[in-house]
Amino acid sequence: EAGVTQSPTHLIKTRGQQATLRCSPISGHTSVYWYQQALGLGLQFLLWYDEGEERNRGNFPPRFSGRQFPNYSSELNVNALELEDSALYLCASSRSGRGSYEQYFGPGTRLTVT
Amino acid sequence: GQQLNQSPQSMFIQEGEDVSMNCTSSSIFNTWLWYKQDPGEGPVLLIALYKAGELTSNGRLTAQFGITRKDSFLNISASIPSDVGIYFCAGRSLTSGSARQLTFGSGTQLTVLP
Repeated sequence: EAGVTQSPTHLIKTRGQQATLRCSPISGHTSVYWYQQALGLGLQFLLWYDEGEERNRGNFPPRFSGRQFPNYSSELNVNALELEDSALYLCASSRSGRGSYEQYFGPGTRLTVT
Repeated sequence: GQQLNQSPQSMFIQEGEDVSMNCTSSSIFNTWLWYKQDPGEGPVLLIALYKAGELTSNGRLTAQFGITRKDSFLNISASIPSDVGIYFCAGRSLTSGSARQLTFGSGTQLTVLP
C-alpha cells in the first residue's frame, strides 16, 4: 500500500510570491491534515480537510489556504510569502471512523523563502 | 490552545541502554500517539493508545497511557544506533469535540553513542 506522497520535495520562492504544495493521501483515507514544522521546532497544525470540506484550521493567517479534491488529494496554498514561512510542510492522512486519530505522514515539502 | 510538555528535550545514551521519555498535558486526553522523525523526513507512527492505563508494545518500544489521562510514557529497551532521531508525542484532547487534529509535543532528540 502506497504511503502519503507530497510534491514538490523542495520549493524555493522569493518573498511576496505564492507557493502551492500538493499531497496525495493513503488510498481509502478521506482526511488530510497540513502541519508546519519550522527548523528545530515541533509540528504546528495548519488545516484539516475531510470529504472535500475544510473542517478546522489552526492559528495561522488567511494567506494560508487550501482545498481537497474529489479524489481526496489536497493542495496547500501560501500567498504573499514571508521569510518566516520557510519550514517543512507536512501532510498527513487518516481514515474516518475507528482509528481515525492515527495520522500517517508524508515526507514533507521543504519551502525556502528568500 | 492545547499544550503538551515533552521531556527530556534531548538525551545522549550508550548503545544498549534503556530510554524513557514522557509527555504531560494540562487537560485530559482520550488519545495518545508516539511518532519518530528522522532528519528531513516525515514522522512515522510508532504506537497508538486509546484507553487510560493501556500498555502497548511495538518491538523494543513500549508506551503507556497514563491513569490520569494527562500523561503518556515511551520506553525504548536495549537501544541501537538506528533509534537515533526525534521522538514526538501527540494527543487529542477530550474537549476537541469533532476535531481530529492532533496536538504535538516539542520532541525528544535521542542520540545513541556507540
